[in-house]
Amino acid sequence: EPEVTQTPSHQVTQMGQEVILRCVPISNHLYFYWYRQILGQKVEFLVSFYNNEISEKSEIFDDQFSVERPDGSNFTLKIRSTKLEDSAMYFCASSVGQGFEQYFGPGTRLTVT
Amino acid sequence: GESVGLHLPTLSVQEGDNSIINCAYSNSASDYFIWYKQESGKGPQFIIDIRSNMDKRQGQRVTVLLNKTVKHLSLQIAATQPGDSAVYFCAAQRNSWGKLQFGAGTQVVVTP
Repeated sequence: EPEVTQTPSHQVTQMGQEVILRCVPISNHLYFYWYRQILGQKVEFLVSFYNNEISEKSEIFDDQFSVERPDGSNFTLKIRSTKLEDSAMYFCASSVGQGFEQYFGPGTRLTVT
Repeated sequence: GESVGLHLPTLSVQEGDNSIINCAYSNSASDYFIWYKQESGKGPQFIIDIRSNMDKRQGQRVTVLLNKTVKHLSLQIAATQPGDSAVYFCAAQRNSWGKLQFGAGTQVVVTP
């Protein structure tokens, strides 16, 4: 069964450093998303992406964040200058279309020290 | 403001019993709802979904009920098994578009 994959599974970085989280969505899906989950809290939406552009973003997704689909398979989330409060699980998701189930990857645990 | 919430943080259920997890949403424009299961250290796993033109949908051992009048949905798990132990989230989508808004999660603990 096709699935969303994410790398790395765990990333430790120092405050102020840049990180890139990588995702490979399901191959025939057209809509891509990033969510995050701070430990013990609910899953929060960050950004959605379709047709090579951002279609929606939350207030969390400020100028420090960017997304890119550099090729036909990868979808990346970049945090330019990490802060302690960026520590969280980051989930990538994809869906075949609007109003269809979003399939989530296993997540990348980001720890900012 | 807009919110999606769950009524109980933890639900303890005996193996073989039925589980009912509740969720309330506030935005009347929400028209697509999904239940996810999240096991420790893993991403949310799709269980079942329902659109606002339905009030009930059944899957394998799971049933979702939607009451649009009171903006409430529930997930029923029949014959709960130890493998059902996880955190369950409801999520809502507005106008069948874009982001999912998640509730806080209910931890289901299955006891022998």
